[in-house]
Amino acid sequence: KAGVTQTPRYLIKTRGQQVTLSCSPISGHRSVSWYQQTPGQGLQFLFEYFSETQRNKGNFPGRFSGRQFSNSRSEMNVSTLELGDSALYLCASRYDPGTRGYEQYFGPGTRLTVT
Amino acid sequence: KNEVEQSPQNLTAQEGEFITINCSYSVGISALHWLQQHPGGGIVSLFMLSSGKKKHGRLIATINIQEKHSSLHITASHPRDSAVYICAANFGNEKLTFGTGTRLTIIP
Repeated sequence: KAGVTQTPRYLIKTRGQQVTLSCSPISGHRSVSWYQQTPGQGLQFLFEYFSETQRNKGNFPGRFSGRQFSNSRSEMNVSTLELGDSALYLCASRYDPGTRGYEQYFGPGTRLTVT
Repeated sequence: KNEVEQSPQNLTAQEGEFITINCSYSVGISALHWLQQHPGGGIVSLFMLSSGKKKHGRLIATINIQEKHSSLHITASHPRDSAVYICAANFGNEKLTFGTGTRLTIIP
């Protein structure tokens, strides 16, 4: 099985712009979670999507949004970029048959630099 | 408040040494995860456990629910084990709360 893929791997944007990142989960996985990793704050949960619905949300401003498509692929969008949004954005997919307790599989991440 | 604490922050050891990384959490959890992150950013899930002990090769993870504590052990450490090890917890839902990570360096 192919692993979790994320595109693009690297991105440079200017303050004020918006950006869309994409995540393709492992085939058969219906849950996709997004995380932000920065040197100062470490890893933080952004949101989780399951069957095209946002199921959990972290403490991030409304500039951060996401969606999931019927094939389980997910996108996250950040509008009005700020310098502090520079980070590694990771997505992870999980097999979720409706019960808890399944491990997450992480993608390689998208490194976003905001200048 | 849901919190996860890890220690030590940094650990340097000689090849072959037995390594222990500790993780404690604030309240009851549904699952505890140990993750490995190599330079470049990729994260690999090593273990997910809710009770007892799990072993995979030279890696062992244990959890004590009563003491709200988990440990990751590496036996016969090797330079390729050098990485950041991250503890994370599910506090009753699928949202992961992460520890700050332990940077492990194994010297040949």
